[in-house]
Amino acid sequence: GAGVSQTPSNKVTEKGKYVELRCDPISGHTALYWYRQSLGQGPEFLIYFQGTGAADDSGLPNDRFFAVRPEGSVSTLKIQRTERGDSAVYLCASSPIAGGTDTQYFGPGTRLTVL
Amino acid sequence: TQLLEQSPQFLSIQEGENLTVYCNSSSVFSSLQWYRQEPGEGPVLLVTVVTGGEVKKLKRLTFQFGDARKDSSLHITAAQPGDTGLYLCAGESPKDSNYQLIWGAGTKLIIKP
Repeated sequence: GAGVSQTPSNKVTEKGKYVELRCDPISGHTALYWYRQSLGQGPEFLIYFQGTGAADDSGLPNDRFFAVRPEGSVSTLKIQRTERGDSAVYLCASSPIAGGTDTQYFGPGTRLTVL
Repeated sequence: TQLLEQSPQFLSIQEGENLTVYCNSSSVFSSLQWYRQEPGEGPVLLVTVVTGGEVKKLKRLTFQFGDARKDSSLHITAAQPGDTGLYLCAGESPKDSNYQLIWGAGTKLIIKP
């Protein structure tokens, strides 16, 4: 079956612009996670969805970041007024149910570069 | 703040050698996961260890969870070029909600043919 997919694979934008990053989770997976990974670092938690609702958005760095999952499947991470420090790989993962020991399946990520 | 420290940060060895990488913390974890990540890809789960002292084997890879559930190690026997990648550990805190993992920064492993 299809795994987690993310689009675009690469996004180059200018400082101050708005970007949207899309995640298509594995069909039927209830939980969806967004992470940010900087070079040489492990993933940094941003937000977690259980169904349509954001169960925890405590990892979002500031109010320029927002994510939605309106129908409980596809999710979009939105970044307003991008800054150079936002440059990173944005990873999405899904799992059948929420739980640290439940396997999270990761997508290939979107590499965001803010010039 | 809970932290997972991985060591070494970088390791480059010849094919056929053995190696061990470590994941250490001062905090206790309910479980610990090891992932391998290749360039341009997301992390892929290798194993989850749950019980203190637990040892799991995956072909030439041996994973051990410390007795106190604060640390873990990954030992690779007779490393092969296909083992090259970034090895990440991630722990589930027994205190927090059970969906958020604490991640280490990873060990970048290169196996030279």
